[in-house]
Amino acid sequence: DIVMTQSPDSLAVSLGERATINCKSSQSVLSRSNNKNYLAWFQQKPGQPPKLLIYWASFRESDVPDRFSGSGSGTDFTLTISSLQAEDVAVYYCQQYYSTPPLTFGGGTKVEIK
Amino acid sequence: QVQLQQWGAGLLKPSETLSLTCAVYGGSFSGYYWSWIRQPPGKGLELIGEINQISHRGGTDYHPSLKSRVTMSVDTSNNQFSLKLRSVTAADTAVYYCARGSTGPRLQSWGQGTLVIVSS
Repeated sequence: DIVMTQSPDSLAVSLGERATINCKSSQSVLSRSNNKNYLAWFQQKPGQPPKLLIYWASFRESDVPDRFSGSGSGTDFTLTISSLQAEDVAVYYCQQYYSTPPLTFGGGTKVEIK
Repeated sequence: QVQLQQWGAGLLKPSETLSLTCAVYGGSFSGYYWSWIRQPPGKGLELIGEINQISHRGGTDYHPSLKSRVTMSVDTSNNQFSLKLRSVTAADTAVYYCARGSTGPRLQSWGQGTLVIVSS
């Protein structure tokens, strides 16, 4: 299985400031055949199902605000919230879909307001 | 916009079979992956398995640790897919989600979740 490791486990950011979450995979999730990274990011608020934010490492889902961005390639990836809003308080997960079964998730990063 | 609505028994005794169904509104089955994911209370996400309705190969893939106890199936006539997990224990207590995805966004649309508690 590909192991996904997120850091930090939690972070507190002031409103309007930048939040950065890191995700590292135990092996590359970059496909040589199509040059795409099989990496997604999800946001989960309490009592709700996860919501897809980013796929192919950097493609934003249609209804996701542009303050959310994804970057990285191979084994190292980053989710950035450029200007944290109150509604962004949540747990964020990365997930690889390069090697299945199984698809695997990172352990999650809890984002709070400082 | 596709919607997924799921249901099933929420309280089971050890050794019983967990059975959940997910109804799909606003979309067809072909051309997508259909998945079940679970989340133990206060913990992270684990994919249980997925049904491949994208390629002609089709078929199901299960998490290796659950493979011996899991069956997933599709009922295209009723636009539903289902999960059965046999011989449950307390370790299977979790919120269970169904989801739809494609080759790119693999888990794009999610059901609302069902809390399943296993307790004697």
